[in-house]
Amino acid sequence: DQQVKQNSPSLSVQEGRISILNCDYTNSMFDYFLWYKKYPAEGPTFLISISSIKDKNEDGRFTVFLNKSAKHLSLHIVPSQPGDSAVYFCAASLHSGYALNFGKGTSLLVTP
Amino acid sequence: DVKVTQSSRYLVKRTGEKVFLECVQDMDHENMFWYRQDPGLGLRLIYFSYDVKMKEKGDIPEGYSVSREKKERFSLILESASTNQTSMYLCASSPGTGSGNTIYFGEGSWLTVV
Repeated sequence: DQQVKQNSPSLSVQEGRISILNCDYTNSMFDYFLWYKKYPAEGPTFLISISSIKDKNEDGRFTVFLNKSAKHLSLHIVPSQPGDSAVYFCAASLHSGYALNFGKGTSLLVTP
Repeated sequence: DVKVTQSSRYLVKRTGEKVFLECVQDMDHENMFWYRQDPGLGLRLIYFSYDVKMKEKGDIPEGYSVSREKKERFSLILESASTNQTSMYLCASSPGTGSGNTIYFGEGSWLTVV
């Protein structure tokens, strides 16, 4: 049963505009959320995270928003650049857990 | 920087062969993981280990086993490779449990079973 869901398999955005990637989760016990970026033929790289005690975390062009009541998080990329074109995975973990639960990914294409 | 190294990037094996995928991490992390990535299915956990000689099944352990004899090394074993095990395999490690537990991935190993 998929506990972390990314309902948009793909997204296309023009360079310079905002990219918004969405993620929903079903397990209210998740307390730490992460976004990973993955280029083809490479392993995922950690991008940004947020603890459940916060509702926003920023790192440069990347901001993650968490809405616990809706069990929803989103990743905003502003401004989007062609090098941001990749697959983005949302992940969540439990307080006492080891492994991460991943969504199926959203493929972002940033066009010039 | 955390470094997770997977020994083989690309392998082609025959159906029925025993396959070993090796992974080493250099950050003294407690936990190590094996995931596989398939198009449209995301990242699925095969096995993980939270200590030397300890292992736990993930979501899709069937057809796989693992070995962790040393803290820095975690091996994935396909006892008898089958074509449905053609995939990208990702090793990862993390320092602990709970909040703030970021997982770091290796470059991945592409396995084709023919």
